[in-house]
Amino acid sequence: DIQLTQSPSSVSASVGDRVTITCRASQGIGSRLAWYQQKPGKAPKLLIYAASSLQSGVPSRFSGSGSGTDFTLTISSLQSEDFATYSCQQVNSIPFTFGGGTKVEIK
Amino acid sequence: EVQLVESGGGLGQPGGSLRLSCAASGFTFSSYEMNWVRQAPGKGLEWVSYISSIGTTIYYADSVKGRFTISRDNAKKSLFLQMNSLRAEDTAVYYCTREGFSSSFDSWGQGTLVTVSS
Repeated sequence: DIQLTQSPSSVSASVGDRVTITCRASQGIGSRLAWYQQKPGKAPKLLIYAASSLQSGVPSRFSGSGSGTDFTLTISSLQSEDFATYSCQQVNSIPFTFGGGTKVEIK
Repeated sequence: EVQLVESGGGLGQPGGSLRLSCAASGFTFSSYEMNWVRQAPGKGLEWVSYISSIGTTIYYADSVKGRFTISRDNAKKSLFLQMNSLRAEDTAVYYCTREGFSSSFDSWGQGTLVTVSS
């Protein structure tokens, strides 16, 4: 199984800050990576697919990059509605594993 | 508007069974691959099972293989998860999800809580 390691596990940031979250795969997965946002008590929401493609309706302050084993989700200017938990997922091979999540908290 | 609505969760006995359903609307259900994903209380997301658009290809996580069965009824636009031999570690919110571009999960239901306890 492909393991995904996210870092940091949590980050405290202020509105307007630039936030970067990394996701490392235990083996190469090309660009077969997605990023999700989840707020408490809600279902996850797709932000980025194919490592760098922005899902329709998602604000352009979200961006994804990387390929192979190292990936990044960047929020260019954090907004109040962005405080949530972010998870990466590899869709290169079964089982479709998720990272452990990164909680973005208010500083 | 794409909608996925799960039902069938609740309290299950260890060793018992539950059947989850997911009603789809707002898209051509028969054209999409579907998955179940679960999330234990306070934990991360765990992929559970996949089914192809016509139901001919199915995969399971090792943690549920041999106990859970995924199926679909395209005429009724519904996805199912038959859960047998329930264990305490199956306690989680179960989400029905649609696969979109590049196999990402582009639509999620609201989730249904399964609690396994005596």
